[in-house]
Amino acid sequence: EAQVTQNPRYLITVTGKKLTVTCSQNMNHEYMSWYRQDPGLGLRQIYYSMNVEVTDKGDVPEGYKVSRKEKRNFPLILESPSPNQTSLYFCASNFGTSENTGELFFGEGSRLTVL
Amino acid sequence: SQQGEEDPQALSIQEGENATMNCSYKTSINNLQWYRQNSGRGLVHLILIRSNEREKHSGRLRVTLDTSKKSSSLLITASRAADTASYFCATDAREYGNKLVFGAGTILRVKS
Repeated sequence: EAQVTQNPRYLITVTGKKLTVTCSQNMNHEYMSWYRQDPGLGLRQIYYSMNVEVTDKGDVPEGYKVSRKEKRNFPLILESPSPNQTSLYFCASNFGTSENTGELFFGEGSRLTVL
Repeated sequence: SQQGEEDPQALSIQEGENATMNCSYKTSINNLQWYRQNSGRGLVHLILIRSNEREKHSGRLRVTLDTSKKSSSLLITASRAADTASYFCATDAREYGNKLVFGAGTILRVKS
C-alpha cells in the first residue's frame, strides 16, 4: 500500500530535550516536505526536499533541522524543543521535484507537546 | 493574510443536503487543489484544477474555478455523515515560489 509513515504519532516531551520525528514513504517520490498545523493558521511549511541531499527552508524553519540521506526518509529534528513548537506535524511527499506537479500524499500526523 | 482563504469557516448541514465551500486567493495561480482532513488525521487530496480549467467533477464532488474573481468553490452533493471533515484549498502560484499555500479550512459537519 502506498503510504507516508510518520513516527511517533504522539509525543510529550520537555523543553530542551532533543527529539526526532521520522518520515518514510514507499512511493519512490522525489519531493518530501514537513508542515506544522496550528488552529486558525492552516498548514505552514517547515522544510522541504526535492531530492536526496537537497533540502531547503520553508516558511517557518526556525528551531528545526532536516536531512535527506535516502530517498524514502526525511526526518524532522528538533534540537532543543520549546513550548511554541507544540503542534501537529505532517510529512508529505510528491512524485515531482516540487509541489506543483500534482497531489501531495500526507502522513497521519505527529502530535507533539513540549512542556 | 493568507493566499487562500476558505469561506465559511464552519458549515453544518443535514445528511442529503449539498455543501458548498468557497476559496478566494490573491495572486494568479498555476493550479488549485482541494484536500479533506478528518479530525486529527492526515490530509487527503480530493481534486486538482488547473488555471485553464473552469470545472472538474469527481464522484459527488464538483469544483469550479473563476480566475477573473480569483475564487474556487467545492460542492459536495448528497452529503453523508462520513463527509464530516475539514476542507482546505491549496494554491500553487509563481509569486509564492510555486509552492502550495494552504488556507485555514472550512469545518463541515453533516448531521444524520
